[in-house]
Amino acid sequence: DTGVSQDPRHKITKRGQNVTFRCDPISEHNRLYWYRQTLGQGPEFLTYFQNEAQLEKSRLLSDRFSAERPKGSFSTLEIQRTEQGDSAMYLCASTNGGAQNEQFFGPGTRLTVL
Amino acid sequence: QQQVKQSPQSLIVQKGGISIINCAYENTAFDYFPWYQQFPGKGPALLIAIRPDVSEKKEGRFTISFNKSAKQFSLHIMDSQPGDSATYFCAASRNGATNKLIFGTGTLLAVQP
Repeated sequence: DTGVSQDPRHKITKRGQNVTFRCDPISEHNRLYWYRQTLGQGPEFLTYFQNEAQLEKSRLLSDRFSAERPKGSFSTLEIQRTEQGDSAMYLCASTNGGAQNEQFFGPGTRLTVL
Repeated sequence: QQQVKQSPQSLIVQKGGISIINCAYENTAFDYFPWYQQFPGKGPALLIAIRPDVSEKKEGRFTISFNKSAKQFSLHIMDSQPGDSATYFCAASRNGATNKLIFGTGTLLAVQP
């Protein structure tokens, strides 16, 4: 399977703990996005990487959130001092930035903060 | 501020019927309009997309109709099947530095056998 993969698929943590999620994009895709989806809502943009450069961060991304893509391949999203409001599905998407800029999504990581 | 408004919130259609989901956008700079299908516990999957230089695009049973002057676009699912039961999201983006997607709030479609 050469699609976008995310790990872990589910994460349950206690409030105040740190969590880290990983995204492996489609291999030839140089652009990578993180989105957050809460129950009953559409995904909301969090941040964007082109290769290893983080080019945009949403206002939704508080100081407790940090994302990296150190070698322009996989990416990590870390949430420090988790809060119950962080409970959501965290989605990763990638694209090669072609004319259609089709974004392909991974299966997501569902975070539950107790 | 919701830049992409989607309706209805939920839809029930009989097998073989036509499902129609509508979206309206505000930002005239948007130039790419995809539809995504999402099953429970899964990530969104790209279904079909359109750019504003055409008024209609058809792929199999799925058709996008686009009205640039009204800033509206819709998804039509012909011959709806129980396997089409899912949540559908419209989205929009503008050609720029990030091409980030702005999503609607979703439509939960149930196709009854």
